[in-house]
Amino acid sequence: DVKVTQSSRYLVKRTGEKVFLECVQDMDHENMFWYRQDPGLGLRLIYFSYDVKMKEKGDIPEGYSVSREKKERFSLILESASTNQTSMYLCASSLGGPQHFGDGTRLSIL
Amino acid sequence: QKEVEQDPGPLSVPEGAIVSLNCTYSNSAFQYFMWYRQYSRKGPELLMYTYSSGNKEDGRFTAQVDKSSKYISLFIRDSQPSDSATYLCASRGYDYKLSFGAGTTVTVRA
Repeated sequence: DVKVTQSSRYLVKRTGEKVFLECVQDMDHENMFWYRQDPGLGLRLIYFSYDVKMKEKGDIPEGYSVSREKKERFSLILESASTNQTSMYLCASSLGGPQHFGDGTRLSIL
Repeated sequence: QKEVEQDPGPLSVPEGAIVSLNCTYSNSAFQYFMWYRQYSRKGPELLMYTYSSGNKEDGRFTAQVDKSSKYISLFIRDSQPSDSATYLCASRGYDYKLSFGAGTTVTVRA
């Protein structure tokens, strides 16, 4: 079974802080993704990566950056957290087929 | 307009009933179709993965794709209280980017 692990289930940060969300997958998948999920808006793609050190913007990249230094790890960075970035963040990985998700990080920005 | 439209419900059915979930999509390039189940405070879990038109059955679950009408369906037979969750449809073409529906919340009453 594919296992996608997100380092924190719940996180509370303050506006202006730099926030790091970590994701690790154990299946040697090439592709990794970061989404945010908000009520009524569904899942929206922030960034994805199809190889180490490669990244592509998704639909809502503003205010975020990513890092992929190793194949199994994909980090999402909120450069200067704002209250409108309070959300559920989901990481996923795939080998080109279906995407497999972690359990998410519920991030609150105060 | 979203590429994948899904009625958010909520849908409430008695135990043992057939649950019918539907999505429509607008992008003719979509070739791959997925259904995910998401329990509260958990990440989406892949239920069904199909390519192009046709039916796919897995236990009590049947996925149908009609590309001529751009219609995706999921049927759950003999529904159980443990099927109570949010169900997400998703589609993509030959790139890696998934488009998700907003999700339908289903409650199966014991």
